[in-house]
Amino acid sequence: AQSVTQLGSHVSVSEGALVLLRCNYSSSVPPYLFWYVQYPNQGLQLLLKYTTGATLVKGINGFEAEFKKSETSFHLTKPSAHMSDAAEYFCAVIRFQGAQKLVFGQGTRLTINP
Amino acid sequence: NAGVMQNPRHLVRRRGQEARLRCSPMKGHSHVYWYRQLPEEGLKFMVYLQKENIIDESGMPKERFSAEFPKEGPSILRIQQVVRGDSAAYFCASSPQRPGRVATDTQYFGPGTRLTVL
Repeated sequence: AQSVTQLGSHVSVSEGALVLLRCNYSSSVPPYLFWYVQYPNQGLQLLLKYTTGATLVKGINGFEAEFKKSETSFHLTKPSAHMSDAAEYFCAVIRFQGAQKLVFGQGTRLTINP
Repeated sequence: NAGVMQNPRHLVRRRGQEARLRCSPMKGHSHVYWYRQLPEEGLKFMVYLQKENIIDESGMPKERFSAEFPKEGPSILRIQQVVRGDSAAYFCASSPQRPGRVATDTQYFGPGTRLTVL
């Protein structure tokens, strides 16, 4: 069985500060990992994904994430927060074999303070 | 290229009525997924469909819920005899899934339908 845990349902940072959103997964097989962002009253937009290859993945809007198998983690970072980054962020995992359903974490709401 | 379209965006139903949610995948996408987001929760998988086939419905409630993706037209998520607990945002996603690329294709999400049951 798979599960995704996002540590911290709410994260608040100052504009210009480092953004770190944590995600840990459990999976019996090597997973594919995703970060999605959801702005208010909108659908989800893919930020980045890890399938195979380089463990440091760069995404849109200056975000990146590193797959660490030994820590079963896929934390999302951005060096300098912008006001427009305020949104809800979801980490998700998918099996590389079998059905293609995404298993989502609970989400982390990111607030940016001016 | 238009994205995934869902309608209606907002739907209000009284208890006992039927709700029909529609999803038109991105052009060229033949795989559709439905997810439900309850208040203050993450998204939960409901069903995965290809044209005229239900591939995985392991997340669908056993009663009152059904889904289809006909050869022509949008995918439909149907909820019969709605109850207050069905109030949620329902998201549709689509992917192209080329042969041999299981699970690597990105799922593109629509804006969702927010269902309110009075």
